[in-house]
Amino acid sequence: KAGVTQTPRYLIKTRGQQVTLSCSPISGHRSVSWYQQTPGQGLQFLFEYFSETQRNKGNFPGRFSGRQFSNSRSEMNVSTLELGDSALYLCASSQAGQGAQAFFGQGTRLTVV
Amino acid sequence: SQQGEEDPQALSIQEGENATMNCSYKTSINNLQWYRQNSGRGLVHLILIRSNEREKHSGRLRVTLDTSKKSSSLLITASRAADTASYFCATVLTGGGNKLTFGTGTQLKVEL
Repeated sequence: KAGVTQTPRYLIKTRGQQVTLSCSPISGHRSVSWYQQTPGQGLQFLFEYFSETQRNKGNFPGRFSGRQFSNSRSEMNVSTLELGDSALYLCASSQAGQGAQAFFGQGTRLTVV
Repeated sequence: SQQGEEDPQALSIQEGENATMNCSYKTSINNLQWYRQNSGRGLVHLILIRSNEREKHSGRLRVTLDTSKKSSSLLITASRAADTASYFCATVLTGGGNKLTFGTGTQLKVEL
């Protein structure tokens, strides 16, 4: 079974631009979550999508948004990039339910210059 | 914001020794999970312990959970150099879907 696939792996963007990151979950998993990891703030939850609906949302500004498609693939978008958005963005997929084990992708390393 | 703290922040041991990491959290949970991360890459799930469980084993891993103290510990026995990584605890709240709230992590270095 293929794992969680995130694309692209690395990205360099200029302040003020926007970016879209993609995540393909494990086949059969309907829950996709996104996390931001930085040296200063650690691992922070962004949002969770389940069957195309946002089920949970973290404390991030509205510049951070996401969506999930009918095939469970998910995208997250960050608009008006700031230097502080530089981070490793991790996607995780889980089977349906509460508190299931999460399977993480390798992440997208975003650098904002 | 993070659910809690892990200690120690960093741990350096010799191969063959045991490593113990502790995690504290703040609110009632549905379950607690431990993850490993190598060099800023993706996280790998190690073990899940439910709020009504007190101890769980998986290979060389032993996890305990004390809900009265809101704390958990991860013991890795007979450590190997390949165990060198960052270890994170993560909690799931009741009704929280699959949202994981991570601790601050422990950097483990196992030396030959």
